[in-house]
This record gives sequence, structure tokens and C-alpha cells, in this order.
Amino acid sequence: DTAVSQTPKYLVTQMGNDKSIKCEQNLGHDTMYWYKQDSKKFLKIMFSYNNKELIINETVPNRFSPKSPDKAHLNLHINSLELGDSAVYFCASSQDGLGGRGIEAFFGQGTRLTVV
Amino acid sequence: AQRVTQPEKLLSVFKGAPVELKCNYSYSGSPELFWYVQYSRQRLQLLLRHISRESIKGFTADLNKGETSFHLKKPFAQEEDSAMYYCAPWGVANFGNEKLTFGTGTRLTIIP
Repeated sequence: DTAVSQTPKYLVTQMGNDKSIKCEQNLGHDTMYWYKQDSKKFLKIMFSYNNKELIINETVPNRFSPKSPDKAHLNLHINSLELGDSAVYFCASSQDGLGGRGIEAFFGQGTRLTVV
Repeated sequence: AQRVTQPEKLLSVFKGAPVELKCNYSYSGSPELFWYVQYSRQRLQLLLRHISRESIKGFTADLNKGETSFHLKKPFAQEEDSAMYYCAPWGVANFGNEKLTFGTGTRLTIIP
């Protein structure tokens, strides 16, 4: 069983469209994340949710809106897509990191978004 | 502000030679340190964590708090080590929330 799964794996869309990427984890973790990996392989956190509550929002444009219907899911919705949004988006999850030590994050396989 | 520096974007090493991937961090408090690896066409995965003091696939990493470094080392490189490596501290971000921050990554290529 895949621990963290993202769909779709590839997404090609035109500028101005709205798209969603779904993420699900079956590890029972409380915290989920979205990371963006750009063309230079830089990995940067976008959001984190803990028990469906937004914890971290790292200066991401308002066009990006995460939604967590339950703690096993964290979906990423992107409005009015722009060329610069092209990247690989990774979902991840971990046990509650607060006060934890050596907490490991588990990553999905990534969603390669290409905006044309 | 938290910062992670991996000075080498690209590193090529001959098979059998020693490998050292550098990582320096600037972080408030005492972060946990991790190395993550991404092999070609695979998901990002944990390689090792400093708290465990473990050796994984022949790799070790020593946390040097004085130099704020967490360099990844392996005495004899193997071809399957070719991958993208990220140094990642886990610590307190703004407003008391912990997060995993990634360095810029080092692409390691092992030359047969």
C-alpha cells in the first residue's frame, strides 16, 4: 500500500485554467504538507496542515488554496494558472512534529504540473 | 531566519572514491537534522537522521554544532548512489510552528 499518494502524476493545462491536485495518506499522520520543486530542483514548503487546521502558509499567492476535508487528505487547488506555476508539487505527511524528535516526513511521488 | 546551504549543486565522484556532501545550516534553537535522497524517477525519501546516529547504505553524517554543519559522507562511492541529495533541518519556524526546510540540493553523479 502506498503511504502517500498524489493524483494526477502529470498535469498539462493552459494558462488561466483552474486545477486541483489530490493527496491522501494512510499512515494515520496528523500533519500534511505541500512542497514545490522548481526547475532547479529547489524544494520549498508551501503549506502545512495539522488535523485539518492550516499551520504554515509560506508566502504563496492567493491563487493557491489548500483544502483538508479530513486529516488523511490535503488537496491543492490552483486558480488562474500561470506559466511560473510549472513545477513538481510534492505532498508529504508526518506525525505531529510538535515536541517530536527525529520525525520523518513521507513524500508522495510528486505531480508534474506543466502550464502552457 | 532559517537557512540551509548546500554549496555544491553538482558533484561528480569516481566509483570507489570517498564522497562528501556538504551542508551548513543557520537555525534557531536546536533543529533535528536529516538527509533526504531522490533517486531518478522515485519519490523523495529519508536517508538518515542525526538523532539515530545510523549508517544507511554506507552513508553517515555527523552533526557539528560548533560549525553548524551536517555533512554527508561515504568512504567508497557506488554507482547506485547517483541521486539528488537534500539536507533538511526540522525545527521551529515562524510563530512556533515546526517545519522541514530543504537545502538547495546536490546532484551526485558517480562515474563508473
